[in-house]
Amino acid sequence: DTEVTQTPKHLVMGMTNKKSLKCEQHMGHRAMYWYKQKAKKPPELMFVYSYEKLSINESVPSRFSPECPNSSLLNLHLHALQPEDSALYLCASSQVRDPMWDTQYFGPGTRLTVL
Amino acid sequence: AQSVTQLGSHVSVSEGALVLLRCNYSSSVPPYLFWYVQYPNQGLQLLLKYTTGATLVKGINGFEAEFKKSETSFHLTKPSAHMSDAAEYFCAVSDSRTSYDKVIFGPGTSLSVIP
Repeated sequence: DTEVTQTPKHLVMGMTNKKSLKCEQHMGHRAMYWYKQKAKKPPELMFVYSYEKLSINESVPSRFSPECPNSSLLNLHLHALQPEDSALYLCASSQVRDPMWDTQYFGPGTRLTVL
Repeated sequence: AQSVTQLGSHVSVSEGALVLLRCNYSSSVPPYLFWYVQYPNQGLQLLLKYTTGATLVKGINGFEAEFKKSETSFHLTKPSAHMSDAAEYFCAVSDSRTSYDKVIFGPGTSLSVIP
């Protein structure tokens, strides 16, 4: 099974709401990633977790708060977002972080709209 | 610094015709090179990657790409286009001996297949 699942598929929220995105994989991967993708643009890396510890935060605003409760699960908590945060949020995972030895798998994404 | 350019933000081919998507990169060290495909409303899927060894790389769905160091290119080809190939294609590069979080994506090429 090479599947990364993400819920919900779609999310509409107001600027004062608090919501969470969920990502799950059961491939035993130890690296998990959050990306943001605007329409017609390539993905932009937001966070990387390695062995359940945050290892990279690409200067993401604090209104985005990642969490890795266990090796299979990755959350992205959202609070006080802005309309420009509307995008497709992609989760990915890999066994190791070196592309020489492993393939990175992406989930289908959560399409977020901030009103 | 690494960078990726993809010639043509949109390419149209007839069903059964050759698919050629162009990618050029710049990197100060031997690169890892990738092609990803993104179908509408889905996440990214790795088509193929070059890390070391044979310069002609075969991927999934009949795609292949050739690493040409002298031309700093990694063009993607498929002999015969199928309607199901219509998607967004991203070329990506990273420095060798690094990690997925260092991968730089190109701007993408949207492929349309005309019946």
